[in-house]
Amino acid sequence: DAKTTQPNSMESNEEEPVHLPCNHSTISGTDYIHWYRQLPSQGPEYVIHGLTSNVNNRMASLAIAEDRKSSTLILHRATLRDAAVYYCILFGSSNTGKLIFGQGTTLQVKP
Amino acid sequence: DTAVSQTPKYLVTQMGNDKSIKCEQNLGHDTMYWYKQDSKKFLKIMFSYNNKELIINETVPNRFSPKSPDKAHLNLHINSLELGDSAVYFCASSRRTSSSGANVLTFGAGSRLTVL
Repeated sequence: DAKTTQPNSMESNEEEPVHLPCNHSTISGTDYIHWYRQLPSQGPEYVIHGLTSNVNNRMASLAIAEDRKSSTLILHRATLRDAAVYYCILFGSSNTGKLIFGQGTTLQVKP
Repeated sequence: DTAVSQTPKYLVTQMGNDKSIKCEQNLGHDTMYWYKQDSKKFLKIMFSYNNKELIINETVPNRFSPKSPDKAHLNLHINSLELGDSAVYFCASSRRTSSSGANVLTFGAGSRLTVL
C-alpha cells in the first residue's frame, strides 16, 4: 500500500494560516490525495481531495506538487475549532480502494 | 437530519456477551463501511458493503459479522466479546464504490464499546 508521511504534531496561532505537509513519494498515477480530520471525540470528517491540480473549497486549500510526491493542506485562518488530527491519505488503486488512515498530524491552535 | 447515525453511542458489556451496533445513512449512498479505532487512535477498516454486497473484508475475527438488510443500513454484530474488542467503532458511507479514488466518505459519530 502506498504510504504517506506527516509530522506527528504542529502548532499554530489563532487566525494565522497553517500549512500541513504530507509526503507521498510512492504515489501511483491513479491515486487521489485526500485529507480528513478528526476533532476530539468525533468521527473523521472529509476536508478536501485532489488528483493533480490545486484545489480550494470552503474549508481549506490543497496544494499538490508538480511531481505529486508531496502536498500541503492550507488552512487560511486557523480557529480554535480547527484543533484536530489531520490525516493525509492516498486513495485509489495503490491502496486497493481502501481509505487507510495513518498516524496523522495533531494540530494545536493557540489563542 | 443526521447523515450517518450509529446506535448506541456507548456500550458497556461483559466478556463473552454478544452485542450489536446499528448504522443508518440517509444520504442515498450505495457503499457503507465499518472502521475500528483502538486505544492508540489508529483507524482501521474492517468491512465494506456495496448495495448489500460485501466487497471488503479485512482480517477480522469471524466473531464479527456485518449485516446489511438494505443499502441504507449496515449493522455490526459481535459474538463472544473479548477485552481486546474495546474500541470506538465508526460507520461510514460513500456514494461511489470504494475502488474509486474520488470517493468521499461520510462518517458517523462513533460507538464506544467497553468490554469488562
